[in-house]
Amino acid sequence: QKEVEQNSGPLSVPEGAIASLNCTYSDRGSQSFFWYRQYSGKSPELIMFIYSNGDKEDGRFTAQLNKASQYVSLLIRDSQPSDSATYLCAVRSMGRRALTFGSGTRLQVQP
Amino acid sequence: NAGVTQTPKFQVLKTGQSMTLQCAQDMNHNSMYWYRQDPGMGLRLIYYSASEGTTDKGEVPNGYNVSRLNKREFSLRLESAAPSQTSVYFCASRRDSRGMNTEAFFGQGTRLTVV
Repeated sequence: QKEVEQNSGPLSVPEGAIASLNCTYSDRGSQSFFWYRQYSGKSPELIMFIYSNGDKEDGRFTAQLNKASQYVSLLIRDSQPSDSATYLCAVRSMGRRALTFGSGTRLQVQP
Repeated sequence: NAGVTQTPKFQVLKTGQSMTLQCAQDMNHNSMYWYRQDPGMGLRLIYYSASEGTTDKGEVPNGYNVSRLNKREFSLRLESAAPSQTSVYFCASRRDSRGMNTEAFFGQGTRLTVV
């Protein structure tokens, strides 16, 4: 079992719809969770992080964390074609000095 | 503000050749990392340096060596390149490896092909 799992996709949504990206993790000691966006051929860039159970909103993006079920999700409202990218979930676990990344979900927003 | 700078951006090596990937950050971060990214595998940690003068192995260290030259620079060396090391390499830095919410900033990547 991978430490951080994501569906590779592609997840295809129409422009203006809500895109829902999910991530599960295996280490119950995980403390903080990050969502990165990576355009093709580019480096990952941080969208947001969350460390408390519940929702965290930033503009069109909402991160949701459920530690009991060991999953974290990212919702993108009013999806735009420019949101088309691979979304990487990253987890920081207690005792680990580096982030552990999932393999990413490719999102395609259809105009 | 350059952030994290990697060189070179592209490189083709023959099997058995050696090379060093350079990384420098200007954010005064303590921690630096080298990841490789392969299709379907996500980012996998090769080595990291929690602070100047220290280095530790990550998930896939075999075939690589690193040097934390000073607080700014962290290099990755391939002593004898193999086709399995064909990948995209990313250097990253964080303010503090212990920080719960400190994000990692990434360089632009090095696309390495070993033939």
